[in-house]
Amino acid sequence: QSALTQPRSLSESPGQSVTISCTGTSSDVGYYDFVSWYQQHPGKAPKLMIYDVGNRPSGVPDRFSGSKSGNTASLTISGLQAEDEADYYCFSYAGSHTWVFGGGTKVTVL
Amino acid sequence: QVQLVESGGGVVQPGRSLRLSCAASGFTFSSYAMHWVRQAPGKGLEWVAIITYDGRNDDYANTVKGRFAISRDNSKNTLSLQMNSLTIEDMAVYYCARDLSGRFTIDVWGQGTLVTVSS
Repeated sequence: QSALTQPRSLSESPGQSVTISCTGTSSDVGYYDFVSWYQQHPGKAPKLMIYDVGNRPSGVPDRFSGSKSGNTASLTISGLQAEDEADYYCFSYAGSHTWVFGGGTKVTVL
Repeated sequence: QVQLVESGGGVVQPGRSLRLSCAASGFTFSSYAMHWVRQAPGKGLEWVAIITYDGRNDDYANTVKGRFAISRDNSKNTLSLQMNSLTIEDMAVYYCARDLSGRFTIDVWGQGTLVTVSS
């Protein structure tokens, strides 16, 4: 149950795109298509942004998209807006009814 | 609307126990598996435990296995987490969260309750 690996921080200008990577192993990210992404603003509960690698829940802007290749999943935010500044966490099913989070990425909108 | 409200957090000495509760409303609680997730101050999220919709099965992160116990009362729409032998490393905000059925993920979160472990 080792944490998935994410970059600690990323920054980009408004209107640009940013891609957050999430690297696991062949036992979690690489094996299951059950990767989710959460957005968390300071002092708030996480919010589901992507599930099943690339599906968006109702109400999440289509600026947010997810993908996966091998043991690495990615979240792309296109057309960055000020309100996208937050922490982002990936989350993967790891088998045997256990789950693992990534370490989190702080996205700063310059 | 769907709502999860945690309670029971507070200050506890190392080695002691604490029980957290989560009151669910706005959905059919007995139809959903439920999770606990925690977040140490200034740190990332950590998955803690899951219990099936009927309470018959549960699983835990290695860091809490044998010390924590998740349970539920579907007649009262309540989820609980019994935490024993607490250490400094257990200090965190604890979130109650709903499982997105069939999708192996979490879709709804409570606001969290803070557990402080200090002598």
